Amino acid sequence: NAGVTQTPKFQVLKTGQSMTLQCAQDMNHNSMYWYRQDPGMGLRLIYYSASEGTTDKGEVPNGYNVSRLNKREFSLRLESAAPSQTSVYFCASIGGPLVEETQYFGPGTRLLVL
Amino acid sequence: RKEVEQDPGPFNVPEGATVAFNCTYSNSASQSFFWYRQDCRKEPKLLMSVYSSGNEDGRFTAQLNRASQYISLLIRDSKLSDSATYLCVVTSTGTASKLTFGTGTRLQVTL
Repeated sequence: NAGVTQTPKFQVLKTGQSMTLQCAQDMNHNSMYWYRQDPGMGLRLIYYSASEGTTDKGEVPNGYNVSRLNKREFSLRLESAAPSQTSVYFCASIGGPLVEETQYFGPGTRLLVL
Repeated sequence: RKEVEQDPGPFNVPEGATVAFNCTYSNSASQSFFWYRQDCRKEPKLLMSVYSSGNEDGRFTAQLNRASQYISLLIRDSKLSDSATYLCVVTSTGTASKLTFGTGTRLQVTL
């Protein structure tokens, strides 16, 4: 099992460009999440998906959209990138119902917006 | 007030020392509690769950005080390899479990 995979690992964008961050898990988990991590701020939830076909806003959703394409994949899209979106983005999945046994994070995508 | 608060450190300790981290949370409805470890430029990884009865995993002991909304992590006999950032995490449940992270406490173990 690969666990949670993310692509790309690194990306540099110019202000106004768009891109999609990809996330996939092969553990048959229902819930998937996107976080961003900034210095001094900890990980903040952007969007999450409790199951295929459903998505909900987290703490910092502005400027982002998501798609839960199927049970495996959960993508994050930046329609018009801004320098404030420079961050490290982590995707995660939880199998549930025993949360402590089934939490996994992807390796992260480092995004720089110029 | 942040939902989960931690002292950012850094805690600089010599090898073999005992070190303790604390964390407070504001949502009394929080249901599950964890410590994660995050190495530099890596993803967070689950270190251990935290229970009111306290739980121990080798050199690591975690404790939860629901009345005070306080979580602790004790590391005994620190190793160089323990150097990392330790994240306090609380969860709430609804349609999906949602994890709220503290900003982390950085530990540096030295020779």
